[in-house]
Amino acid sequence: EAGVTQFPSHSVIEKGQTVTLRCDPISGHDNLYWYRRVMGKEIKFLLHFVKESKQDESGMPNNRFLAERTGGTYSTLKVQPAELEDSGVYFCASSQLGAGSYNEQFFGPGTRLTVL
Amino acid sequence: AQRVTQPEKLLSVFKGAPVELKCNYSYSGSPELFWYVQYSRQRLQLLLRHISRESIKGFTADLNKGETSFHLKKPFAQEEDSAMYYCARSSSGNTPLVFGKGTRLSVIA
Repeated sequence: EAGVTQFPSHSVIEKGQTVTLRCDPISGHDNLYWYRRVMGKEIKFLLHFVKESKQDESGMPNNRFLAERTGGTYSTLKVQPAELEDSGVYFCASSQLGAGSYNEQFFGPGTRLTVL
Repeated sequence: AQRVTQPEKLLSVFKGAPVELKCNYSYSGSPELFWYVQYSRQRLQLLLRHISRESIKGFTADLNKGETSFHLKKPFAQEEDSAMYYCARSSSGNTPLVFGKGTRLSVIA
């Protein structure tokens, strides 16, 4: 089992360009989360999918960010147009869906986005 | 708003010395508390959570509701413990994690 995978590992783009990040969760995990760590700050939640539906997108910074999860499998996070403050490491995590106690979130290696 | 505070950005200790990484959380119902760790060139992974009350790699953490704290402790630090440690909380179940800023632990030989 490869675990959660993310692509690309690193992306360098210019301000105003578009970038699409991809996350492949662990097979069978219905929960998929996106987080972001901006330099010097804490890891912050962006949004949460349950299967293909957006359960919570309260952490999305603005409408330049668009997340999708086609068929409840992999997810993409598109930033259009990118701004300097979007630079950071974007993490994806997945977990099994279950009621009651916490279901461990497994994290991907992250995508480091640099906007110049 | 839910908050997690880790007051130390960097903590350096000598090998064999005791370690305590501090974590405080804002009170809100009955949160679940966790410690995540990221070793060099590895991904973020769960170290332990308060509900399981177990010791992992010699680390323990006790939830103190009176002080709203969840400090991570280890009696004798090892070089391989050097890593970035994040305290996090969740409301319950499948809800997202709220992280602290992290503490970098450096164990000196």
